[in-house]
Amino acid sequence: DTGVSQDPRHKITKRGQNVTFRCDPISEHNRLYWYRQTLGQGPEFLTYFQNEAQLEKSRLLSDRFSAERPKGSFSTLEIQRTEQGDSAMYLCATLGGGRTTEAFFGQGTRLTVV
Amino acid sequence: SQQGEEDPQALSIQEGENATMNCSYKTSINNLQWYRQNSGRGLVHLILIRSNEREKHSGRLRVTLDTSKKSSSLLITASRAADTASYFCATDGGSNYKLTFGKGTLLTVNP
Repeated sequence: DTGVSQDPRHKITKRGQNVTFRCDPISEHNRLYWYRQTLGQGPEFLTYFQNEAQLEKSRLLSDRFSAERPKGSFSTLEIQRTEQGDSAMYLCATLGGGRTTEAFFGQGTRLTVV
Repeated sequence: SQQGEEDPQALSIQEGENATMNCSYKTSINNLQWYRQNSGRGLVHLILIRSNEREKHSGRLRVTLDTSKKSSSLLITASRAADTASYFCATDGGSNYKLTFGKGTLLTVNP
């Protein structure tokens, strides 16, 4: 257990539905990242928060995706009008302050769009 | 986008043997890290090597880095069945400390 919690662990949804995932970081970690991982691939960066500010978004993050981190604590990732291509593992990772770049990952949310 | 390739894509060995995985990357880096992922789970950090380091050890792990060739290797000595997992290299060279991962090596250690 890395101390980063993600909920739910698994989500099956019908195409066109909206889904929301939650990440609870290690409490003192002010940097939070979302990654997406498809089968047989490594994780790909989606977006980055420092405290409550969303400072970077990947081109992978289409207009149907939105992420928030209110009050710099937990974060949510919402996908609207899901498509089959959204099926993937969505991973949350956090870093502490300073120059450390060792990332602590949650267990991920496995999304299946049918 | 993926940073580069890990080699081999899959590796199957017997318990007690050593396992070597290689990673190549494309851009300049601050550091390179190796992570382990058990099937369907999150990633766990194994070891970090800075761009000015050439070799680093941690328990049964040995990592090398050759910045001139933009490559790294991870050696796991005296492997155990519990080492069965996917192993990813990740580079931190850009802004905001975000990581760029390779495609991973699936290691199977047979008892």
